[in-house]
Amino acid sequence: KQEVTQIPAALSVPEGENLVLNCSFTDSAIYNLQWFRQDPGKGLTSLLLIQSSQREQTSGRLNASLDKSSGRSTLYIAASQPGDSATYLCAVRRSSGSARQLTFGSGTQLTVLP
Amino acid sequence: DAGITQSPRHKVTETGTPVTLRCHQTENHRYMYWYRQDPGHGLRLIHYSYGVKDTDKGEVSDGYSVSRSKTEDFLLTLESATSSQTSVYFCAISAPTSGGKYEQYFGPGTRLTVT
Repeated sequence: KQEVTQIPAALSVPEGENLVLNCSFTDSAIYNLQWFRQDPGKGLTSLLLIQSSQREQTSGRLNASLDKSSGRSTLYIAASQPGDSATYLCAVRRSSGSARQLTFGSGTQLTVLP
Repeated sequence: DAGITQSPRHKVTETGTPVTLRCHQTENHRYMYWYRQDPGHGLRLIHYSYGVKDTDKGEVSDGYSVSRSKTEDFLLTLESATSSQTSVYFCAISAPTSGGKYEQYFGPGTRLTVT
């Protein structure tokens, strides 16, 4: 059974700092990995999707990397801003024949202090 | 939000009563999912559907049933609600990206409280 872990559960940083969020998974046979953002009381917004054949994806100040063999992904946020404060979740999709099911980590709650 | 709506958005109900949550999508995507989100557990898959009348169980399906009689609607039913089913429920669809891959997109959620 796939297990996804995100450490730390909470992180507080001053504005302007570069930071890294971590995601690890136990089964390296994944199809892709997705990073989401969730604001309080809201749904999930997809940030980045990395296919298993890719090493990284970038969108603006966000960069996600994937090391499938070691079961790890990181989300790098450059020059953090108070508006980046949210919970960040990673999710892995198993093999392509699994109805595209996702297994989620429990998230990292990020607070960027002004 | 990929055209996904959930209703109701908030509900308080008593233990033992039946509850149905509705997920509606406007873009005719084949795959739909129901998740619950609880503190410390992330999102856990309850049931999913891969077409009209085609559904299957997820990780935490006990106490829940689903139905999909139309492509656009996916219903989640708690036959007899219990306090352990107090949670936030999210519906999701799997939709293609501009690169031809598939991502999941989520609805706004339903906060259910069972007293």
